[in-house]
Amino acid sequence: GQQVMQIPQYQHVQEGEDFTTYCNSSTTLSNIQWYKQRPGGHPVFLIQLVKSGEVKKQKRLTFQFGEAKKNSSLHITATQTTDVGTYFCAGPYYGNNRLAFGKGNQVVVIP
Amino acid sequence: DTGVSQDPRHKITKRGQNVTFRCDPISEHNRLYWYRQTLGQGPEFLTYFQNEAQLEKSRLLSDRFSAERPKGSFSTLEIQRTEQGDSAMYLCASSLWGEQFFGPGTRLTVL
Repeated sequence: GQQVMQIPQYQHVQEGEDFTTYCNSSTTLSNIQWYKQRPGGHPVFLIQLVKSGEVKKQKRLTFQFGEAKKNSSLHITATQTTDVGTYFCAGPYYGNNRLAFGKGNQVVVIP
Repeated sequence: DTGVSQDPRHKITKRGQNVTFRCDPISEHNRLYWYRQTLGQGPEFLTYFQNEAQLEKSRLLSDRFSAERPKGSFSTLEIQRTEQGDSAMYLCASSLWGEQFFGPGTRLTVL
């Protein structure tokens, strides 16, 4: 079945530094979504990527969808304490009605 | 607040009891999803409704679980004869297209 894997699972990042989190799928995806979940909160949608090789930016966040549409990355520059949380990628399977989430990348920001 | 709401936010029950959770999606959203999330994991898909029709069910949804969305608006998730392994956060999400909006979740603890 559909599997979405994220690496790393945990990251400690110094405030002001950059970091990247990666997402890999066992199958080609029609699209990929990224969500952020703050400690004690619920997942909040960040972005959806659809096209092969697509790159989208949201201020300090850069999202990329691989050429083969089997992997994706999220790069955050100049990390701030507000970036703390768990970042999930999710891809559709069995048609587009189910989302398979990865285990997430839990990010701790060191002031 | 026009977001997704869930009730109750917390539920503690004894093993063997039945519990029911409610989800009120964003009013114009025709798609509604239930997920289960445990510590250190991403949300796991349980079931999906389009309007009042339950179109998808995960194998995770044993016959002790039932979900309804009778008028295509709010939804309920019932767990019968709860087991300790049912302890988790139960998340509801709604959408019009790809982006899913999550509610705050119901945290279930089975003693």
